[in-house]
This record gives sequence, structure tokens and C-alpha cells, in this order.
Amino acid sequence: KAGVTQTPRYLIKTRGQQVTLSCSPISGHRSVSWYQQTPGQGLQFLFEYFSETQRNKGNFPGRFSGRQFSNSRSEMNVSTLELGDSALYLCASRFLAGGNNEQFFGPGTRLTVL
Amino acid sequence: KQEVTQIPAALSVPEGENLVLNCSFTDSAIYNLQWFRQDPGKGLTSLLLIQSSQREQTSGRLNASLDKSSGRSTLYIAASQPGDSATYLCAVLAGGGADGLTFGKGTHLIIQP
Repeated sequence: KAGVTQTPRYLIKTRGQQVTLSCSPISGHRSVSWYQQTPGQGLQFLFEYFSETQRNKGNFPGRFSGRQFSNSRSEMNVSTLELGDSALYLCASRFLAGGNNEQFFGPGTRLTVL
Repeated sequence: KQEVTQIPAALSVPEGENLVLNCSFTDSAIYNLQWFRQDPGKGLTSLLLIQSSQREQTSGRLNASLDKSSGRSTLYIAASQPGDSATYLCAVLAGGGADGLTFGKGTHLIIQP
């Protein structure tokens, strides 16, 4: 069974631009979560989608948004990029049924904002 | 607000030693706890998941314990190998399973050959 995949793996953008990251979950998993990892703050939860609906959201500004498609693939968008948005963005998927909440992570997208 | 702390922040030991990594959390109302490893520049690999009703889980040379009442978990690695070198992260899931994971800052482990 294929793992969680993320594209692209690396991105370089400039301040003020916007960016879209993509995540494909493990087959059969309907929940996709997004996390930001920085050296200073560590791993922080952005949001989670299940059945195309946002279930919950972390403490991030509205510039960070996401969506989920009917095939469970998810995209995350960051508008008006700031230098501080440079980070490794990780997505995770889980089955989310029958108490099975083990989360599996993708390889991440490394975003650099210049 | 849930906070997760991992001690030590870094650890360097010779190959073959048994070692213990510690994780503590402030709110005992967790749904489960998960241990991950992260290699430099890579994503997270799930090692062990402990449900809130369980006391421990084992996988190969790894054993994780959970004491929910005291807000602590330990990851025991037996007979360490250089390939175990990585950052180990502890994360808790709360809110009845509805919240996002709350992570510790990790323990950076180096196993010397």
C-alpha cells in the first residue's frame, strides 16, 4: 500500500506570493491533517479535513487555508507569503473509524520564502 | 492548553546500549499517544501508538509505556544501533480524538558506532 505523498517536495517563493501544496493520503484514509514544522516552534497543527469538511483548525492566520476533494486528496494554500512562513509542511492521514487514529505522515514540502 | 515536553533534548550513546526517552504532557485527558522518528529533512515515521486505555506497546526493540494519570510516557530502545540515530518525537491526541496532534520538541539521538 502506497504511503502519504506530497507534491512538490521543494518550493521557493518570494514575499507576497501565494502557494498551493498538495497531499494524497493512504488509500482508504479519509482524514488529512496539515502541520508546519520550524526550528523555533517545532511541529504545529494547522487544520484537518474529513469528508471534504474542515474538522478543526489550529492557531494560524486566515492566510492559511485548505480544502479536500471527494477522493480525499487535500490541498493547502498560503496567501501573501511572509518570510516566517518558511518551513517544512507535513501532511498526515488517518482512517478515523473504529477508534483507529494512528497517523501516517508524508515526506513534506520544504517551502522557502525569500 | 496541552503542552508536551521531551527530555533529554539530545542524547549521544555508544552502540549496544539500552536507552530511555521521556515524554510528559500537562493534560491527562488524552485519546492516545504516538511516538515518531524523524530523519534529517524527512517526514515522520510512526513507531508506536498507545491508546489511552493501554499501558504499553512493543515493536521489535522498541517498547513504549504510558502512565496517563501522571502524564508520562517513555520510549525504551534496546540494544541501540547506529541506524537508530534520528530525532524521536512524542505526540498526544486529545479532544476525544478530534483535535490535532500536540508534539514535543523531540529528542535528538546519536548512536556512536
